[in-house]
Amino acid sequence: DTAVSQTPKYLVTQMGNDKSIKCEQNLGHDTMYWYKQDSKKFLKIMFSYNNKELIINETVPNRFSPKSPDKAHLNLHINSLELGDSAVYFCASSRASLNGELFFGEGSRLTVL
Amino acid sequence: GNSVTQMEGPVTLSEEAFLTINCTYTATGYPSLFWYVQYPGEGLQLLLKATKADDKGSNKGFEATYRKETTSFHLEKGSVQVSDSAVYFCALSDGNTGNQFYFGTGTSLTVIP
Repeated sequence: DTAVSQTPKYLVTQMGNDKSIKCEQNLGHDTMYWYKQDSKKFLKIMFSYNNKELIINETVPNRFSPKSPDKAHLNLHINSLELGDSAVYFCASSRASLNGELFFGEGSRLTVL
Repeated sequence: GNSVTQMEGPVTLSEEAFLTINCTYTATGYPSLFWYVQYPGEGLQLLLKATKADDKGSNKGFEATYRKETTSFHLEKGSVQVSDSAVYFCALSDGNTGNQFYFGTGTSLTVIP
């Protein structure tokens, strides 16, 4: 069983389109995250949810909207896609404790043409 | 604030060479420290961690010691293999900021036969 699973793994789309990436974790964790990894492998936190509530909302365009229907799911919806949105997006989860580690999904590679 | 600085890559080594990837941190509280590894085409996975000063994390022949006096958590391996080729990320989690994780920029390692 995959602990953190995200779909789709690859997404190719045109500028201006709207797309969603889904994430689910079966670890019983309280906190879920979205990270963006650029072509230089730099990892940037976008959002964090704890028990369905938004905790971290870094400076990302408001075209990006996270939605957490329950604490096992955190989806990412992106409106009006731009070329600069091309990246790999990682979902992750952790337990709400000081020493809790992050568990990552396999990533969703988004290519905007 | 909290931040992680790690050695820039890329690093290229011959098989069986000794590896060191430097990592230093700045933290306001008492962080836990992590090394994550990302193999090509995959998500990040935990390699090792240390939760308090002088702790040593180890896994798969890799080691790192939490040095509070030098605010460092350098990753070492005595004899690298081709299969160790990956990107390595140093990270910290600060209990004062809940479940927020801070990542270094990643160091790409290539091991040649």
